[in-house]
Amino acid sequence: AQSVTQLGSHVSVSEGALVLLRCNYSSSVPPYLFWYVQYPNQGLQLLLKYTTGATLVKGINGFEAEFKKSETSFHLTKPSAHMSDAAEYFCAVSEITGNQFYFGTGTSLTVIP
Amino acid sequence: NAGVTQTPKFQVLKTGQSMTLQCAQDMNHEYMSWYRQDPGMGLRLIHYSVGAGITDQGEVPNGYNVSRSTTEDFPLRLLSAAPSQTSVYFCASSYLGLAREQYFGPGTRLTVT
Repeated sequence: AQSVTQLGSHVSVSEGALVLLRCNYSSSVPPYLFWYVQYPNQGLQLLLKYTTGATLVKGINGFEAEFKKSETSFHLTKPSAHMSDAAEYFCAVSEITGNQFYFGTGTSLTVIP
Repeated sequence: NAGVTQTPKFQVLKTGQSMTLQCAQDMNHEYMSWYRQDPGMGLRLIHYSVGAGITDQGEVPNGYNVSRSTTEDFPLRLLSAAPSQTSVYFCASSYLGLAREQYFGPGTRLTVT
């Protein structure tokens, strides 16, 4: 089974600062990769995904992520944090040949005014 | 287009009681799944289905049953509730293949006393 590691269960940034949330996966075969956001008391919402093609993927709300095969990573970034970005963020992978999704344990992002 | 709906939103059970969590989607997705979310553990897959009549176990299936008689519905049954099943439950659905990002329901918060 896949494992997904999100470094840092809590990340705090100042408003306007760079957001960097880290995600590493375990598979030797590149899987499909996803970032989801969860606001309090809500379900998860897709931010962006990588399946094939360009390794730099742009998503909603100004977020982007880069797939780096050599590092088995899919880190999420946003150049300038906004108060509304405060939420829980989950990285997930899905094997190309399988049907299951594997989620990381999540990173809680706090934005300091 | 309602997306993924879940009922109930909140439920309190006594140990040993049984109940069914309902999930429905109107997007004609082949794939449906149930997750539980516990603090610090991310989302863990309970059961999933790749089509009507086809179900399989995920990471934490014990104590739960599912069936998929239609494309739209994927109920989750707790056979004999235990305090360890206190959690937030999410249903999700997606297409298979490249377009496989999951759409999540709003969740059911279950407490077992």
